[in-house]
Amino acid sequence: NAGVTQTPKFQVLKTGQSMTLQCAQDMNHEYMSWYRQDPGMGLRLIHYSVGAGITDQGEVPNGYNVSRSTTEDFPLRLLSAAPSQTSVYFCASSPRWSSGELFFGEGSRLTVL
Amino acid sequence: AQTVTQSQPEMSVQEAETVTLSCTYDTSENNYYLFWYKQPPSRQMILVIRQEAYKQQNATENRFSVNFQKAAKSFSLKISDSQLGDTAMYFCAFMVTGANSKLTFGKGITLSVRP
Repeated sequence: NAGVTQTPKFQVLKTGQSMTLQCAQDMNHEYMSWYRQDPGMGLRLIHYSVGAGITDQGEVPNGYNVSRSTTEDFPLRLLSAAPSQTSVYFCASSPRWSSGELFFGEGSRLTVL
Repeated sequence: AQTVTQSQPEMSVQEAETVTLSCTYDTSENNYYLFWYKQPPSRQMILVIRQEAYKQQNATENRFSVNFQKAAKSFSLKISDSQLGDTAMYFCAFMVTGANSKLTFGKGITLSVRP
């Protein structure tokens, strides 16, 4: 019963490096999203997708890129990592994009030096 | 724009007692949902309870219940008979119903349950 799986769980990058955070769900959910969690800031939406081939920007999209080629996968790409992107990243999915009932992954802690 | 405010950053409660977590929100919309999410120390977040704005009856899920005051734009979470496993960060969240709706989260409150 995997649910939402994120990899890696921990990553350290140097400024300017690029990387991809992977997210996969096995619940056939149409809606998928990426959030970042920072102390005192709550969760902020980076990008989201309401179905394969459809993506849109959230509240804090700059420096991140996404694609949704399949229903199951929704990778988040950091194009050129900056220290301001040090955060915990959460992927979440939902069976109906308008329901608000999100199923979260365990998170990926990223440190950019 | 919608905002969600959780003004208390931390709370503590004795095991078996009752605690109430506060949340206020601001919106000009009439149709929306409100949520409480729980993030235990292991970090995976789960939905605790959901309230539809059009429903007058407060939502309840076992030991968790809400006090939804639409006119006051208040949405508090009551945890009865607190257990050690309730120790977590709790986030209040809001979403307008309809097209292009997105969840807006509050900053969260850290709840510690003391044995």
